[in-house]
Amino acid sequence: SQTIHQWPATLVQPVGSPLSLECTVEGTSNPNLYWYRQAAGRGLQLLFYSVGIGQISSEVPQNLSASRPQDRQFILSSKKLLLSDSGFYLCAWSATIGLAGVWNEQFFGPGTRLTVL
Amino acid sequence: GNSVTQMEGPVTLSEEAFLTINCTYTATGYPSLFWYVQYPGEGLQLLLKATKADDKGSNKGFEATYRKETTSFHLEKGSVQVSDSAVYFCALNPNSGGSNYKLTFGKGTLLTVNP
Repeated sequence: SQTIHQWPATLVQPVGSPLSLECTVEGTSNPNLYWYRQAAGRGLQLLFYSVGIGQISSEVPQNLSASRPQDRQFILSSKKLLLSDSGFYLCAWSATIGLAGVWNEQFFGPGTRLTVL
Repeated sequence: GNSVTQMEGPVTLSEEAFLTINCTYTATGYPSLFWYVQYPGEGLQLLLKATKADDKGSNKGFEATYRKETTSFHLEKGSVQVSDSAVYFCALNPNSGGSNYKLTFGKGTLLTVNP
């Protein structure tokens, strides 16, 4: 079965410090990978998605970046955090589009709670 | 473009009450539809899905029917429990063109069930 991990679970960082959040998926190959942010309230904002190693699509211009150094590893980074970067960061994966019976349901990790002070 | 509209709530019910959370969508073609649930402090979990018109998704006592004529996918449960308290998200995958990789989510509905 497939599992998705995120770490750390919680993080408190000062403004201007760097950030690195990691996400890994087990039990599948060539997944599509996603980073979302959930700020105050409940809405989900898609930040980045990746359909393969080294392929990153950005949805929102901001001071965050993403990388995919390995097939099942997705990293969210920042060089200098802002107060507005606080939120709940969720990583998700879905199976490769085009496979029979795949409808792109996404499966989410447990999330990282980031507080920027 | 694609969009999902769901009642934002909050919805507060007593235990064993009937639940309906409305969800309507806008999409071209034949999207797939999903309901996700998020318990406090956790990630989203896929609750149920429907991939074509008139399909009924069901799981853990929850049901939703894909109604193409009304572009709706309302979530229902006959008797809610305190443990159902969570935020519920309706979502769609357009299944067309270059948008296949991304889901479109509603804003979420907070459900609180009191004993």
